[in-house]
Amino acid sequence: KQEVTQIPAALSVPEGENLVLNCSFTDSAIYNLQWFRQDPGKGLTSLLLIQSSQREQTSGRLNASLDKSSGRSTLYIAASQPGDSATYLCAVQTGANNLFFGTGTRLTVIP
Amino acid sequence: NAGVTQTPKFRILKIGQSMTLQCAQDMNHNYMYWYRQDPGMGLKLIYYSVGAGITDKGEVPNGYNVSRSTTEDFPLRLELAAPSQTSVYFCASSYPPPGQGNNEQFFGPGTRLTVL
Repeated sequence: KQEVTQIPAALSVPEGENLVLNCSFTDSAIYNLQWFRQDPGKGLTSLLLIQSSQREQTSGRLNASLDKSSGRSTLYIAASQPGDSATYLCAVQTGANNLFFGTGTRLTVIP
Repeated sequence: NAGVTQTPKFRILKIGQSMTLQCAQDMNHNYMYWYRQDPGMGLKLIYYSVGAGITDKGEVPNGYNVSRSTTEDFPLRLELAAPSQTSVYFCASSYPPPGQGNNEQFFGPGTRLTVL
C-alpha cells in the first residue's frame, strides 16, 4: 500500500526566508502528485499538480519538483511571508480511487 | 463558479441518529470524492464516483452510503452515527480521469461532525 510521509511535521521560519518542504512516497507507480494548502478550520486549496511525466511545476513563489524514481517531491517557497502560514499537504494519485495523503507540514512564518 | 459547496458546516449528532452531508459542484466534473480527516492524520477516502449513477467504495466506507443521481450532487449518508465518525468531512471533484491531463482535485470547505 502506498505510504506518504512529510518531513518535518512542523516548521517555523522568519519572514523572508526561503524554505523547502519534503514529501516522500513508497510506490513510484503514480499518475500525479499534488500539493495543497490547508488553513485552520478550512478546506484544501490546490497549489500545484505535477504529472508523473513532469519534473517540476512553478506558480509564483512556489516551485514543486518530482523525482518519481526515488519517490520524492519538494515544495520550495521563496521569500516566505506571514500569509504563507498554513499546513501543507502532499498527495499522490495511483488511480481513480487512490489518492494518498501525507499528514502535512505545519508552517509558521514569523514576522 | 461556486466550485465545490458543502452543507452543513457544523453538526452535532447523538449516537444512533442519521444525517446526510450535502455536496455539490458546478464545474461539470465527472469525478467526485468523499474524504474524512481525523486530527493528526491524513485524509482517507470514504467513497468516490466516476459519474452519475456510478459509485464505489474507498478505503474507509463502513458506516456510510452515497448516491449520485446527477453530475452535480454527491450526498454522503450516515445511517447510525457512532462516536468513531466524529471527524471533518471533505468533498472533492476532479476532471479528467487520472492520468489524462490536469486532473487536480478541488475541495469543498468541509463539514465538522461531532457524534456524542
